[in-house]
Amino acid sequence: GEDVEQSLFLSVREGDSSVINCTYTDSSSTYLYWYKQEPGAGLQLLTYIFSNMDMKQDQRLTVLLNKKDKHLSLRIADTQTGDSAIYFCAPNTGFQKLVFGTGTRLLVSP
Amino acid sequence: NAGVTQTPKFRVLKTGQSMTLLCAQDMNHEYMYWYRQDPGMGLRLIHYSVGEGTTAKGEVPDGYNVSRLKKQNFLLGLESAAPSQTSVYFCASSYSFDRNPYEQYFGPGTRLTVT
Repeated sequence: GEDVEQSLFLSVREGDSSVINCTYTDSSSTYLYWYKQEPGAGLQLLTYIFSNMDMKQDQRLTVLLNKKDKHLSLRIADTQTGDSAIYFCAPNTGFQKLVFGTGTRLLVSP
Repeated sequence: NAGVTQTPKFRVLKTGQSMTLLCAQDMNHEYMYWYRQDPGMGLRLIHYSVGEGTTAKGEVPDGYNVSRLKKQNFLLGLESAAPSQTSVYFCASSYSFDRNPYEQYFGPGTRLTVT
């Protein structure tokens, strides 16, 4: 089955850029999602990229996809304390099924 | 539009007790899912349903049963709770023809502790 790997922690200072990385194994994934989970809450969709794209920009968020290396990254520009959360990478595997990575806990310090 | 709701929010069970978690969605979604979230392990799929009256096993189905008698509801049952089932449980739903494919909408979670 699909394996999705993420580093567990990332710590940055407010105003810096954050880059969260994800590697996956299923090359047939057509949609790759980033979800955000704030403390004590469920997951919310942050952004996504279609597999025929290399990059997608959405305000402060930039998603980069390297299909050859099966590597996905999420860059958050001008990181704010409100961005502190857990971020999950989730490629689709089959129709309507997602596989979630372990999540990266982003801590933003003032 | 409430989205996905889960009942209850918190529960403490003793080993061997049973309980049912209720998930409801008002988006007319075809698919519904139950996940568990454990520290350092991300979300793991327990069971899912592709439509009313259907269910299927996910990655970690043992010790759980599910039912989807109505399209908007998906129930997760623990017949005999074990401490290994201490976790946070999330329900999600997805897929209607006019929505972003594959996007899943999540409930707020149920924190279950089994002592």
